[in-house]
Amino acid sequence: GAVVSQHPSWVICKSGTSVKIECRSLDFQATTMFWYRQFPKQSLMLMATSNEGSKATYEQGVEKDKFLINHASLTLSTLTVTSAHPEDSSFYICSARRDGGYEQYFGPGTRLTVT
Amino acid sequence: AQKVTQAQTEISVVEKEDVTLDCVYETRDTTYYLFWYKQPPSGELVFLIRRNSFDEQNEISGRYSWNFQKSTSSFNFTITASQVVDSAVYFCALKVGFTGANSKLTFGKGITLSVRP
Repeated sequence: GAVVSQHPSWVICKSGTSVKIECRSLDFQATTMFWYRQFPKQSLMLMATSNEGSKATYEQGVEKDKFLINHASLTLSTLTVTSAHPEDSSFYICSARRDGGYEQYFGPGTRLTVT
Repeated sequence: AQKVTQAQTEISVVEKEDVTLDCVYETRDTTYYLFWYKQPPSGELVFLIRRNSFDEQNEISGRYSWNFQKSTSSFNFTITASQVVDSAVYFCALKVGFTGANSKLTFGKGITLSVRP
C-alpha cells in the first residue's frame, strides 16, 4: 500500500506556457501533500505543503503566483507552473501523508524541461 | 531550526568494498525521526529506513546497516560488499516530532555513490 503516482513523468514545454503536474495517492487518502523541487545534483527542496480543501503553505522564496497548487480532493494535488521559463526546468517530486500519519510517501517525480 | 549535514558529496568504490555514508543532524527537539532514502538514476526516491529518536539500536538489513548515535547526532549508513546496483544518490533526512503535525522533512544534500565493477 501507500503508492503515489505523478503525471506526466516528463514534459517539455515552451517558454511562456503553463504546465500542470498531477500527484495522486492511489490506495490511501492523503490529507497533506508536499511538493519538492530538485535541481541536478542537488537535494530536494520543499516548495509547499498543501492540505486538502485549504490553501497551500509556501516555503520562503517560492512564488505562489508562479507555482499554483490545488489540493481539491483527498487523492489528488496539482502543481501548475505558470508562464514557465527555462530556469523552471527541474525535477518535481510530490509526496503524500495519510490523515493522522507522519510518513511521507513519494511519487516517482516529473522532469520538466522548458525550452 | 533543523539541519542535516552529509559532508561526503561523492564516493567511489570498487565492487565488494564496504562503504559508510555519514549523516549528522541538528535539532533542539527531543522527538524526531531520521530517514535514509536512495535515489537511483531513474529519480524515484526509495525509502530505506526510519529511526525514532528513542531507538538507538543499530539495525541490519541484509547488506545494509545503520548506526544511530545520539551522543554525536549521527545516523551513519554502511553498505557491506557493495554492488554496482548500489550506485545511486543517498539522502539522509530528519522530521521533527512523532505526529503528523509539522511533517516537514529536512534533507541533507545527498551523497553520490558510484560502485565500479
